[in-house]
Amino acid sequence: DVKVTQSSRYLVKRTGEKVFLECVQDMDHENMFWYRQDPGLGLRLIYFSYDVKMKEKGDIPEGYSVSREKKERFSLILESASTNQTSMYLCASSRYGYTFGSGTRLTVV
Amino acid sequence: QQPVQSPQAVILREGEDAVINCSSSKALYSVHWYRQKHGEAPVFLMILLKGGEQKGHEKISASFNEKKQQSSLYLTASQLSYSGTYFCGTGANFGNEKLTFGTGTRLTIIP
Repeated sequence: DVKVTQSSRYLVKRTGEKVFLECVQDMDHENMFWYRQDPGLGLRLIYFSYDVKMKEKGDIPEGYSVSREKKERFSLILESASTNQTSMYLCASSRYGYTFGSGTRLTVV
Repeated sequence: QQPVQSPQAVILREGEDAVINCSSSKALYSVHWYRQKHGEAPVFLMILLKGGEQKGHEKISASFNEKKQQSSLYLTASQLSYSGTYFCGTGANFGNEKLTFGTGTRLTIIP
């Protein structure tokens, strides 16, 4: 069965910390995405990548960066975590329809 | 700009039908539909591409009117397992599948 795996299900970090969220897919997909999900706002695109070492900003990239050194791995980086980045983070890969990871619920205190 | 979904929430009895609408202000190439159950990741239901195609998946089908930039999801004879939040995701370009999601429609099916 195809899989997108996010490294942590729950994470608690302090304000100002640098945070890494990891995502790995085993489907050999070119396209990978990072979304955040907040109540009432749906899923909003942070960054996406079409290929290794390629990245493009989504709708809400401020305060985030990404890294894609290998095709199967797409990392989201919070350079200096803030409380307004407390959210559910969903990684997805796609070729024809998205396959989502199970999500990382990040709390910044 | 996010597509607008309607209704925001709906409660149905088992066996009733439901329609969920998704409307965009932008020209669309594709519309995706996903269902998310509480505490779980969204799950892909179907994709509709430019061309006005209607697709089906069990008792769930959808249509895409590209001129009106609208899509509708039809759930027929709803089952308890259909409960969840439904999201449409709209794509403007061929190939990259970058999607903009609506804010969701919460569907509750009661016995």
